[in-house]
Amino acid sequence: DIQMTQSPSTLSASVGDRVTITCRASQNIGNWLDWYQQKPGKAPKLLIYEASVLESGVPSRFSGSGSGTEFTLTISSLQPDDFATYYCQQENSYPWTFGQGTKVEIK
Amino acid sequence: QVQLVQSGAEVKKPGASVKVSCKASGYTFTDYYLHWVRQAPGQGLQWVGWINPNSGGTNSAQKFQGRVTMTRDTSITTAYMELSGLKSDDTAIYYCARDRLASAGTGSFAYWGQGTLVTVSS
Repeated sequence: DIQMTQSPSTLSASVGDRVTITCRASQNIGNWLDWYQQKPGKAPKLLIYEASVLESGVPSRFSGSGSGTEFTLTISSLQPDDFATYYCQQENSYPWTFGQGTKVEIK
Repeated sequence: QVQLVQSGAEVKKPGASVKVSCKASGYTFTDYYLHWVRQAPGQGLQWVGWINPNSGGTNSAQKFQGRVTMTRDTSITTAYMELSGLKSDDTAIYYCARDRLASAGTGSFAYWGQGTLVTVSS
């Protein structure tokens, strides 16, 4: 199975900060990488697919980049609604696997 | 609008089976793969498998093969996931999720159900 490793596990930030989350794959996954946001008690929400394509309706402050084994999710200016846990997920090969999550907390 | 509405919480004993339903609306049911993803309490996400509602074809993670059965009833636009031989570490929220693209199992989950908590306890 492809292992997905996110860093950091927890991130403390303030409203307006630029935030970057990193996701590393244990082998080359091309650009087959998605990012999800999950709030407590809610289902995940797709933010970005194929590493850099913004899902419809997702604010433009979210962006994704990377290919191969290293990827980043960037929030250009953190908003109150963005405090949540973020997961990366590879869809390159079965079984599709997720990172362990990065919790973005209020500083 | 796309909606996925799942069945309610379940409590099962070890060794039993559980069947979770996912009622779809707001789109053509047979056009999009439906996936199952689970999340143990306080833990991350784990893909269980998918069903192609058009053909009934399925695929699941090897970890669940032999224990998971995914079916659908197109007449009521509902998908089902049955997990047998339950163990305590199967305790989790089970989500159904619709694929992002029509006629493809891309592995991108664009719409999610509200989740069904399955608790396995003696």
